[in-house]
Amino acid sequence: QSALTQPASVSGSPGQSITISCTGTSSDVGSYNLVSWYQQHPGEAPKMMIYEGSKRPSGVSIRFSGSKSGNTASLTISGLQAEDEADYYCCSYAGSSTLVFGGGTKLTVL
Amino acid sequence: QLLESGGGLVYPGGSLRLSCAASRFTFSSYAMNWVRQAPGKGLKWVSSISGSGGGTYYADSVKGRFTISRDNSKNTLYLQMNSLRAEDTAVYYCASSVGGHYHYYGMDVWGQGTTVTVSS
Repeated sequence: QSALTQPASVSGSPGQSITISCTGTSSDVGSYNLVSWYQQHPGEAPKMMIYEGSKRPSGVSIRFSGSKSGNTASLTISGLQAEDEADYYCCSYAGSSTLVFGGGTKLTVL
Repeated sequence: QLLESGGGLVYPGGSLRLSCAASRFTFSSYAMNWVRQAPGKGLKWVSSISGSGGGTYYADSVKGRFTISRDNSKNTLYLQMNSLRAEDTAVYYCASSVGGHYHYYGMDVWGQGTTVTVSS
């Protein structure tokens, strides 16, 4: 149950697009299309932004999208807005009914 | 829709039981999860339970010490934590699964969290 690897921080200017990577192994991200992404603002509970790799829950902006290639999943945010500044976490099914989170990425909107 | 309680300060080696009360959804139709976040750190999966309660799953770090359970008649999820260690200090969140009876599709509804501090 080793944590998935995310960049510690990413940044972008309003209106730009950014991508956050989430690298696992062939035992987790690479084997299942079961990656979810969470946004967490300081002092708040996490909010699910993407599930099953690329599905967007009702109410989540279409600016958020998810994808996967091999052992790496990605979250792309287009048209960056100030309110997107937050911590983002990926989570993957890791087999044997276990889940594993990434270490988290701090997004700064410049 | 999810409200955790039961957190507090406990000595190393002690026990604590967390509760998560659910409202406004068909509780028994959804797998449930516990996720924790140590101070200044990231999210960590702790445990999950199927909608019926017949399937329970744990992270290696808590296996044998923590027990997840649910009372569907009371719409309540529990986490019994024994043999607590300093490294168990965290905010504990409960979260429901977007995949219904399966816990691994994603967690769509989260509580506000309850704080557990293990210290002498």
